[in-house]
Amino acid sequence: DAGITQSPRYKITETGRQVTLMCHQTWSHSYMFWYRQDLGHGLRLIYYSAAADITDKGEVPDGYVVSRSKTENFPLTLESATRSQTSVYFCASSEALVRETQYFGPGTRLLVL
Amino acid sequence: GNSVTQMEGPVTLSEEAFLTINCTYTATGYPSLFWYVQYPGEGLQLLLKATKADDKGSNKGFEATYRKETTSFHLEKGSVQVSDSAVYFCALSTLSSGSARQLTFGSGTQLTVLP
Repeated sequence: DAGITQSPRYKITETGRQVTLMCHQTWSHSYMFWYRQDLGHGLRLIYYSAAADITDKGEVPDGYVVSRSKTENFPLTLESATRSQTSVYFCASSEALVRETQYFGPGTRLLVL
Repeated sequence: GNSVTQMEGPVTLSEEAFLTINCTYTATGYPSLFWYVQYPGEGLQLLLKATKADDKGSNKGFEATYRKETTSFHLEKGSVQVSDSAVYFCALSTLSSGSARQLTFGSGTQLTVLP
């Protein structure tokens, strides 16, 4: 009954490496989201998904890839990490897209050296 | 496009002081408005929301009223506590065209309450 979980919580990687951040929710929510949080920018949407096998770009999708083969999982992959992708990444889910509360995971703090 | 502007922080108050964090928005369509709170080391939690004009959201002593005429959703609390120290985010959600179908966040306001 954990709700929404993210792993790993902390990750250090090097420029050019592939990194996958995991997100898992237990509510069977249709919608899932990935945000990055940077000082002075608040949260910016990277990708979202309306259901299994349906994904769409957000505000800052470049350099990221997502998939959603199962409703409960929504992994985010950095195919070739860059220093500018150093950030805190939050996954969220909601039952519907508009007017519905989004529930956030605890975040993954990523450092790209 | 949609945007949310919050007052710049950080804000430092003494316990039992009155809190106002200003939030104004620009949106197409009819947005829902939210305040989220982020405690240190944690993800965001919904604090309150309002889905139409003149609605008042409230929770844990915090209040915000949806003002369509001034496009504002200011957060207020009459008497803050040390435990209210956190970052507060104003956000909107609207079903406009294209990439507007998402939560748009303000940049956040850091609140520190001193005993």
